[in-house]
Amino acid sequence: QITLKESGPTLVKPTQTLTLTCTFSGFSLSTSGVGVGWIRQPPGKALEWLALIYWNDDKRYSPSLKSRLTITKDTSKNQVVLTMTNMDPVDTATYYCAHRAYDFWSGYPREFDYWGQGTLVTVSS
Amino acid sequence: QSALTQPASVSGSPGQSITISCTGTSSDVGSYNLVSWYQQHPGKAPKLMIYEVSKRPSGVSNRFSGSKSGNTASLTISGLQAEDEADYYCCSYAGSSVVFGGGTKLTVL
Repeated sequence: QITLKESGPTLVKPTQTLTLTCTFSGFSLSTSGVGVGWIRQPPGKALEWLALIYWNDDKRYSPSLKSRLTITKDTSKNQVVLTMTNMDPVDTATYYCAHRAYDFWSGYPREFDYWGQGTLVTVSS
Repeated sequence: QSALTQPASVSGSPGQSITISCTGTSSDVGSYNLVSWYQQHPGKAPKLMIYEVSKRPSGVSNRFSGSKSGNTASLTISGLQAEDEADYYCCSYAGSSVVFGGGTKLTVL
């Protein structure tokens, strides 16, 4: 059974750096073909993909946010960490992490099939 | 890259069928059969309903179906039920990145 859970601060000040942790179970990021992504959703707005990391440490970032994002993994702790620098009130959102496999047969990544419950981060002074 | 284009809202009566469109470009929807659809109820995490354009995960009702033509993907829900009322998001692989749609609010009248 795959589960994911996000954790981190609920409130950050403008210009600060946000650090979020995704702790998961039911799979390992040391297993070939496994990936974890981050997606956010401002209140009342749409989903926005942020970043992905795969078992082989391949990392992908949203082009529009790439300069502010860093994604890392700790396979021993079953965790993925996302940092976002220079936070702004427009970054207020619920942040989700999700499992995403890589299909070796097709050579392409697959869908986000398991999601965490999300964590709301508010950016305010 | 820009978000995929979805209608802001659709509605239908119980028992009817509705279709939600998702329009992208030749760099995302048009180039890959890697469109997925997510259902999101208020205050809940998104739930995968369709993947690889038309495949249903185990446990998802066969009332949900997906298709694609050119740069536009579609989600069809047949035999609408009250529990289908939710927000729906499409998502596409876009080369080295991922793009979501703007979301569609489905109202069951």
